[in-house]
Amino acid sequence: GQNIDQPTEMTATEGAIVQINCTYQTSGFNGLFWYQQHAGEAPTFLSYNVLDGLEEKGRFSSFLSRSKGYSYLLLKELQMKDSASYLCAVRYSGGYQKVTFGTGTKLQVIP
Amino acid sequence: DGGITQSPKYLFRKEGQNVTLSCEQNLNHDAMYWYRQDPGQGLRLIYYSQIVNDFQKGDIAEGYSVSREKKESFPLTVTSAQKNPTAFYLCASGRDTSTEAFFGQGTRLTVV
Repeated sequence: GQNIDQPTEMTATEGAIVQINCTYQTSGFNGLFWYQQHAGEAPTFLSYNVLDGLEEKGRFSSFLSRSKGYSYLLLKELQMKDSASYLCAVRYSGGYQKVTFGTGTKLQVIP
Repeated sequence: DGGITQSPKYLFRKEGQNVTLSCEQNLNHDAMYWYRQDPGQGLRLIYYSQIVNDFQKGDIAEGYSVSREKKESFPLTVTSAQKNPTAFYLCASGRDTSTEAFFGQGTRLTVV
C-alpha cells in the first residue's frame, strides 16, 4: 500500500509556529505536495518537494526527507485565517505518476 | 480570468437517478481529474484524463462515467449503480499529470 499518515487535528495559538507532519511509504516515491483546504472549499496548492531539504515560501515552509519517508509543513506567525485542513499528497511512479492524498490535518488557530 | 469551474455547487437527486456534474477549465491544461471527498477520508481518485479523448479509471471508478470530448470539459456522471453517491466531488486540472493540480470549488451531491 501507499499509506500516508498525518495527525487528524491540531490546535495552535495565533502568532505561534506549528509543524504538521506527514509520513509515507517510500517505495516508488516521486514527489510530495502540500495543499490547504478551508472548510467546504477547494484545496489550494502550497508547496512541492522532490529533493531532500527545506523549501521556504513566506510564512510557510515544507521539509522532505526521502530516506525517512517524512515531510513536514511549517507555518510561522500563525493567523486566524490559517485555520484549515492541510493535505499531504504523494506522487508515486506509475502509469500516470499516481498521486495519493492523506486524510488531512485540521488545524485550528485560537486567539 | 483563468480558472476551473464546477457547477452546480449543491445538487440534490433522488435515488436511482443518474446525475452529471459539470467541470470546465480555461487554463489550457491537458490533465483533468475527478476526486471524491468523504468525512475522515482523503481525496480519492475517480477518473483522470491525460489528454482529450482519453481517460482512465482511478481507484473508485465503479458507478461513475466520464467523457473528454473537449480539452476544456470533463463532465462526471454519477450513475444509479454507485452505492453511496452522497459526497463532495472535486474536479481538478493540471498542466500535465506530473504537476500540481488546480481544483474547482466542488459540488456537494446529496442523494435522497
